[in-house]
Amino acid sequence: KQEVTQIPAALSVPEGENLVLNCSFTDSAIYNLQWFRQDPGKGLTSLLLIQSSQREQTSGRLNASLDKSSGRSTLYIAASQPGDSATYLCAVRHQAGTALIFGKGTTLSVSS
Amino acid sequence: GAVVSQHPSWVICKSGTSVKIECRSLDFQATTMFWYRQFPKQSLMLMATSNEGSKATYEQGVEKDKFLINHASLTLSTLTVTSAHPEDSSFYICSAHPAGSSYEQYFGPGTRLTVT
Repeated sequence: KQEVTQIPAALSVPEGENLVLNCSFTDSAIYNLQWFRQDPGKGLTSLLLIQSSQREQTSGRLNASLDKSSGRSTLYIAASQPGDSATYLCAVRHQAGTALIFGKGTTLSVSS
Repeated sequence: GAVVSQHPSWVICKSGTSVKIECRSLDFQATTMFWYRQFPKQSLMLMATSNEGSKATYEQGVEKDKFLINHASLTLSTLTVTSAHPEDSSFYICSAHPAGSSYEQYFGPGTRLTVT
């Protein structure tokens, strides 16, 4: 059974810092991996999706990497801002069109 | 972009009553919809997979007679929580998989259910 773990569970940083969020998964036979942002009491915002054949994806200040063989992904946030404060969820998918398996998330707080 | 709506966004009901949550894909057809549940400070857990025109597939531990799922059209899936109990209070989120798409899913904004 696939398990997705995110470390750390919570992170507090001052504005401007670069930071890395970690995600690991036990079954490396994934189809793709996706990072989401969730604000308190809200739904999910998709940030980056990495196909199993890809090594990384970038969007603005965000960069996600994938090492499928070791079962790891990282989300790098450059020059963090208070508006980045949210919970970041990592999720994997085993086959096209199937459901996502989520980690518990990392709650990020960026202070000004 | 693709939009998925949920209605209601929040609902309070009394123990023993039933409540229906709707999930709609507004600008695309969804052959498959997924229902997730999220307890406070926990991750999203898949409850069931709903395919248009067929019975839903429930995850282990999810009571199909308690959480009734209907996917009668390519744009609408409903989740009915029957005989609700306070422990059913949670955040329910649906996602829709567009017909013809190989990997994308679009998430609804979620429904906060509180059972008193």
